[in-house]
Amino acid sequence: DIQMTQSPSTLSASVGDRVTITCRASQSISRWLAWYQQKPGKAPKLLIYKASSLESGVPSKFSGSGSGTEFTLTISSLQPDDFATYYCQQYNSYSLTFGQGTKVEIK
Amino acid sequence: QVQLVQSGAEVKKPGSSVKVSCKASGGTFSSYAISWVRQAPGQGLEWMGGIIPIFDTANYAQRFQGGVTITTDESTSTAYMELSSLRSDDTAVYYCAMGGYYGSGLYYFFDYWGQGTLVTVSS
Repeated sequence: DIQMTQSPSTLSASVGDRVTITCRASQSISRWLAWYQQKPGKAPKLLIYKASSLESGVPSKFSGSGSGTEFTLTISSLQPDDFATYYCQQYNSYSLTFGQGTKVEIK
Repeated sequence: QVQLVQSGAEVKKPGSSVKVSCKASGGTFSSYAISWVRQAPGQGLEWMGGIIPIFDTANYAQRFQGGVTITTDESTSTAYMELSSLRSDDTAVYYCAMGGYYGSGLYYFFDYWGQGTLVTVSS
């Protein structure tokens, strides 16, 4: 299976901050990467697919970039509603895998 | 807009089985692939496997091979996930999720998610 590693595991930030989360794949996945946001007790929500395509209805403050083995999710100006856990997911292979998650918490 | 509604919470004994359902509405059931993703308490997301209704063939993550069975009933737009030989570490929230696919078994990302079903395994 392709291993997905996110960093950091926890990120402490303030409202208004620009934050970046990194996701690394154990082998090249081209641009077959999605990002999700999950809040406690809720199902994940799709934010980004194909590394940088914004899902319909998702604010443009979320952006994704990268290809091959290294990807980033950036939130341009953190708002209270953005404090959550973020996961990357690769879909390059027949066996899908997620990163372990990055919790974005209030500093 | 597709909606996925899952069956309710379950409490099971070790060694038993559980079957969770996921009913879709608001979209064309056979146009999507349906996967099951589990999340143990305080842990991350883990893809268990999926099925593409028009092919009616399921694919499973290696660690779930032989222990999970995913099926669909197109007449009711419902997917099912049955987990057998339950152990305490199968205690988790189980989500169904729908998304696109390529060919007969390559799954994409997940546009739609069910609300989750908590399965607790305890003696």
